[in-house]
Formats: sequence, structure tokens, C-alpha cells
Amino acid sequence: KAGVTQTPRYLIKTRGQQVTLSCSPISGHRSVSWYQQTPGQGLQFLFEYFSETQRNKGNFPGRFSGRQFSNSRSEMNVSTLELGDSALYLCASKSDVDTQYFGPGTRLTVL
Amino acid sequence: DAKTTQPPSMDCAEGRAANLPCNHSTISGNEYVYWYRQIHSQGPQYIIHGLKNNETNEMASLIITEDRKSSTLILPHATLRDTAVYYCIVRVGHGSGNTGKLIFGQGTTLQVKP
Repeated sequence: KAGVTQTPRYLIKTRGQQVTLSCSPISGHRSVSWYQQTPGQGLQFLFEYFSETQRNKGNFPGRFSGRQFSNSRSEMNVSTLELGDSALYLCASKSDVDTQYFGPGTRLTVL
Repeated sequence: DAKTTQPPSMDCAEGRAANLPCNHSTISGNEYVYWYRQIHSQGPQYIIHGLKNNETNEMASLIITEDRKSSTLILPHATLRDTAVYYCIVRVGHGSGNTGKLIFGQGTTLQVKP
């Protein structure tokens, strides 16, 4: 079956703007998690959605938010972008009894 | 914080076995050991996981010590395409209800050389 897909793959924004990233999980997977990867902090957990409800949240400011739709697709939003938000944003999906599988990521550059 | 400790880097000759160690001395009884790898700027790729028994799949073998305080990932015949950052992660459960939260450490950068 098809893997996790993320769109767009690359994005350039300027400080102060907002951005929305999209993730389509593997068919049948109800859990979607988001991660941020930067050279300085490595891979950090942002949040997880399960059946349209946020189930877990990492230690990120409120500018980072997400949601999940009834078809399990998920979006994350970052408002008032800062230079430090430049990162690879990764989405991962899992079924109830399966391990997590990651998408290719969205590379966000904030100028 | 990550509950695992890994060497920052290792080299391996192409065609030889790559043995990547991981210490997880504070692992709890219901925590599994997972391994992922990340090839430059791609999404992490699942490799293998285990609880207390040794595991093998088409990609690798996982050896967990009897006291479960450490483990070793073995790539039996490393190729240049195995050059990547390898992450060892411990997480609670592997079944219904377990969450998607993974805590990544810095991992081991494996360089496979010709």
C-alpha cells in the first residue's frame, strides 16, 4: 500500500507569515504524529492526533497547532513564523497495533 | 530526554557486518526497543523492534541482552546504501493504545566505506 505522503515537499516563507503543512497517512492508520528536525535540536515530537483528537503534545509554543480530519489526514499550522522555525517537518502514521512509518518530510525555510 | 545512549559515529567496511550498540539501562519492563534509520534528509525508516527476545527480519537482526539494559543492531552485510544515522528508541508498548510519541536521541552515524 502507499506510504505516508506530505505536501508540499519544500516551502519558503518570510518571518511573520503563517504556514500549513499537510500529511496523508497510510490507509487505515488513525494516528498521525508530527516531528520537527533541526540540526541543533535533532528530531523532536510536536504532537499526535488520533481519531481527530490530540492525544499527545510536545513542548512547543502555541504557534504550532494541528488538526486531523475524519479521513485521518492531518495538517499542522505554524503562525507568526520565526527564523528558528526553519526545519524539516516530518509526519508519521501508525495503526492501533502497528509501528510508526514516516513520510519524506516538508523542508521549511523561513527568511 | 532520550532514554538511550549510542556512540555518535561508527565506520564499517562494505560487505562486513555492522554492529551498532545501544545502552538503555533504565528501560522498563513494558518498554520495547525500536530501531530506525535516517538517510540524509529523508524521513526515518523503521528497521526492527523487540521486547526481550532476539529478532531478525529482512533488514537486520536485533540482539537484546538478558537484563535488557543494552542491545545491538546487526546489519549482516553492510552496503554503501546503509550509510545513515541509526536511532535506538525505547517506548512503552506495542499494541492497541500505544501512542505515536517517539523520543529520539542523537543516534549513531554509520559510514559504510568501500
